[in-house]
Amino acid sequence: AQTVTQSQPEMSVQEAETVTLSCTYDTSESNYYLFWYKQPPSRQMILVIRQEAYKQQNATENRFSVNFQKAAKSFSLKISDSQLGDTAMYFCAFMKFSSRPVRTGNNRKLIWGLGTSLAVNP
Amino acid sequence: AAGVIQSPRHLIKEKRETATLKCYPIPRHDTVYWYQQGPGQDPQFLISFYEKMQSDKGSIPDRFSAQQFSDYHSELNMSSLELGDSALYFCASSLGGGGTRVETQYFGPGTRLLVL
Repeated sequence: AQTVTQSQPEMSVQEAETVTLSCTYDTSESNYYLFWYKQPPSRQMILVIRQEAYKQQNATENRFSVNFQKAAKSFSLKISDSQLGDTAMYFCAFMKFSSRPVRTGNNRKLIWGLGTSLAVNP
Repeated sequence: AAGVIQSPRHLIKEKRETATLKCYPIPRHDTVYWYQQGPGQDPQFLISFYEKMQSDKGSIPDRFSAQQFSDYHSELNMSSLELGDSALYFCASSLGGGGTRVETQYFGPGTRLLVL
């Protein structure tokens, strides 16, 4: 079974600075996807960034980038130039890859970490 | 771009009552997932559907049932509600056809259920 661990329950950063959130996972799968979702106080679940395990290049989305270390099973999120609107709970999530359509036993449910609460301070 | 729609957004029920939550996926998405998130917790997978067939079942109580209709919208039916069912219920949709495309799940705004 897959597990996702976020070892930092809470973090804070000053506005405009850079912060890195940690995520490690355990799986015997060779191909999979990893995601970071953001949940602000509104509790909407918003996709931040995604990474395909077969891609060596780290994903980047504007101020958000990941450091994907497949051998170490590590998937950290770096937020550059932090903004007040980045204050949120951040969840790391794992999903199995399959070339076949979703069917019973071939599900792609998300496996979640417990989240890191990030506060961006003015 | 169109997003996942969930209704109602808020719901208050008494113990032992029933509730129906609805989810309208992003157009052309064929897969729907239901998650339950308690306060301060990570989301827990309940059930999923692909092309109107149940594809997997997670920690969904027997008191709950769900289905996906011909227009791909999904409904989560909850009966004999308990205090512990109070939570945020998310629906997510994706394209579940397999292949090399990343099957990203996009979430709706959630339904906040409060059981009194």
